[in-house]
Amino acid sequence: QSVLTQPPSASATPGQRVTISCSGSRSNIASNYVYWYQQFPGTAPKLLIYRNDLRPSGVPDRFSASKSGTSASLAISGLRSEDEADYYCVAWDDSLSGYYVFGTGTKVTVL
Amino acid sequence: QVQLQESGPGLVKPSETLSLTCSVSGDSVSVYYWNWIRQSPGKGLEWIGYVYDDGKTKYNPALNNRVTISVDTSKNHFSLRLASVTAADTAVYYCARALMSSFDPWGQGTLVIVSS
Repeated sequence: QSVLTQPPSASATPGQRVTISCSGSRSNIASNYVYWYQQFPGTAPKLLIYRNDLRPSGVPDRFSASKSGTSASLAISGLRSEDEADYYCVAWDDSLSGYYVFGTGTKVTVL
Repeated sequence: QVQLQESGPGLVKPSETLSLTCSVSGDSVSVYYWNWIRQSPGKGLEWIGYVYDDGKTKYNPALNNRVTISVDTSKNHFSLRLASVTAADTAVYYCARALMSSFDPWGQGTLVIVSS
């Protein structure tokens, strides 16, 4: 089964920019939309980015995302302490009979 | 405001069937796609499957032969059954609505431990 690969961790100081990568394949990221979720300890994930680069209402514009080929990325600019959380990418995978595949997750630490 | 709430036993014995229900308020389970997603302790997220269109389903191939997701429109809830569970099925189980493939919103999650 496919998996989307993310770095286990990323960190930066307040105010800086941090970028998280999400590496997939032709059957998932290259062929379908990518979504990003933010999760704080003990809580359910929250939708952060949909359809590659769109922000739901209420998500600060400090969060941005992009996709190119078989990879996607999430950027957080002007990093704030409240951004410390786990971040996951998700995409539909067209292989087998089709299914959603999650990224391995990235823990963002604000130094 | 759409809200989802999982319910069911928090402890299941190995080889038995895990059963959970997701109660939905503020929306109808007859519309959109209704998903189950799980997260093993300290690990990442795994999509289990969804139900839509009053009963049609799609499952993660890795779990396909053990999973059943159903919907009860009269009670406005949908359910998960996972058969022949092992310790590897211990996880927090979330239900979530999928709107244009976005999982939003999610339930708060319920921890299910598989142990004798």
